[in-house]
Amino acid sequence: DQQVKQNSPSLSVQEGRISILNCDYTNSMFDYFLWYKKYPAEGPTFLISISSIKDKNEDGRFTVFLNKSAKHLSLHIVPSQPGDSAVYFCAAQHQGGQNFVFGPGTRLSVLP
Amino acid sequence: NAGVTQTPKFRVLKTGQSMTLLCAQDMNHEYMYWYRQDPGMGLRLIHYSVGEGTTAKGEVPDGYNVSRLKKQNFLLGLESAAPSQTSVYFCASSYEGRYGQPQHFGDGTRLSIL
Repeated sequence: DQQVKQNSPSLSVQEGRISILNCDYTNSMFDYFLWYKKYPAEGPTFLISISSIKDKNEDGRFTVFLNKSAKHLSLHIVPSQPGDSAVYFCAAQHQGGQNFVFGPGTRLSVLP
Repeated sequence: NAGVTQTPKFRVLKTGQSMTLLCAQDMNHEYMYWYRQDPGMGLRLIHYSVGEGTTAKGEVPDGYNVSRLKKQNFLLGLESAAPSQTSVYFCASSYEGRYGQPQHFGDGTRLSIL
């Protein structure tokens, strides 16, 4: 049973609009979350993170929101650009846990 | 600035053959990891290492062995390849394995077992 879920395998958005990628988790011990971005034939690269002591973290066009009670986080990209087209992975970790648990990824396509 | 380098990038094996995947990092990172990525699934941890000479099992270690003889290298071995091991393999490293530290990934090795 997957502890980190990304229920939308793919998402298409028009250039300039907002992209919202969702991630749900089942383990209440998770308290640190990261988003990775992956282009074809490349490895994932770190994008943004959030700790459970916060409910929002912003970095330029990227904002991650965390709702601990719902065990849900989301990544907002505003405005979306064609170069944002990639697969986005959500990953979770808990204190005392050495390793991350990754979701299956969501493929974002930003259409010109 | 190479970061994490994986060799080879592609490989086709026959069932029962053996091979070794090499990961090298030039960032002086202590921690190194091997993941596999399969369709519809996230990256799953195979084995990891917290320093030179150490290895530990991850989520899906069966059928794989690893070695970390040098700090900068982490080798993943398949002794007798099976079709179920067809996957994309990613190596990653981090300075520490502590809480919240992002990992740096290589570009992957696409492995097909016939």
